[in-house]
Amino acid sequence: SYVLTQPPSVSVSPGQTASITCSGDKLGDKYTYWYQQKAGQSPVLVIFQESRRPSGIPERFSGSNSGNTATLTISGTQAMDEADYYCQAWDSRTVVFGGGTKLTVL
Amino acid sequence: EVQLVESGGGLVQPGGSLRLSCAASGFTFRNYAMSWVRQAPGKGLEWVSAITGSGSSTYYADSVKGRFTISRDNSKNTLYLQVSSLRAEDTAKYYCAKLVYFEWVDPSNWFDPWGQGTLVTVSS
Repeated sequence: SYVLTQPPSVSVSPGQTASITCSGDKLGDKYTYWYQQKAGQSPVLVIFQESRRPSGIPERFSGSNSGNTATLTISGTQAMDEADYYCQAWDSRTVVFGGGTKLTVL
Repeated sequence: EVQLVESGGGLVQPGGSLRLSCAASGFTFRNYAMSWVRQAPGKGLEWVSAITGSGSSTYYADSVKGRFTISRDNSKNTLYLQVSSLRAEDTAKYYCAKLVYFEWVDPSNWFDPWGQGTLVTVSS
């Protein structure tokens, strides 16, 4: 079965850029999606179809995808961005989620 | 505003059953595929099941196939998940989520929004 691999944790200082990666075989050939889940809350879509932002999601969130790695980038990270982030893709007619990355804003 | 409100979770013994519900509002329910995604305590997201807008096609993760049944009542704007033969490893918060297309299998499909979830605890 298809596997998406994320680093368990990423730390960033306020105002700096955070990059969260998601790796999978030929992932660049697939659409990727990113969800943010703050403590005690439900997941929220922050990036769809690799790099598009839903309305209401700040411009500091961006996405890219090439080769075997998709990346969620948060520019000018704020304390409110501290959360778990999950990548998602499709493979063989089913959905796969990455294991999640805990973003800590120090 | 799109709203999804789950209910029906609780404490159940191993081997037991529950029916989870998800009441939808704020959109034309029958036009969209719907799905259940679960999250075990302290763990990541796991897709469980999905159903097309008409309800004619259903899909399941291998981990729940043969034990869980997804259905929908488009006249009541409600999604269901019948969970049976429950095991300890089924303990999780179960979220319902709306897809953006009528069909389920579409690489350009995604989950938005998600409900607040309902907790299922399997324990003796």
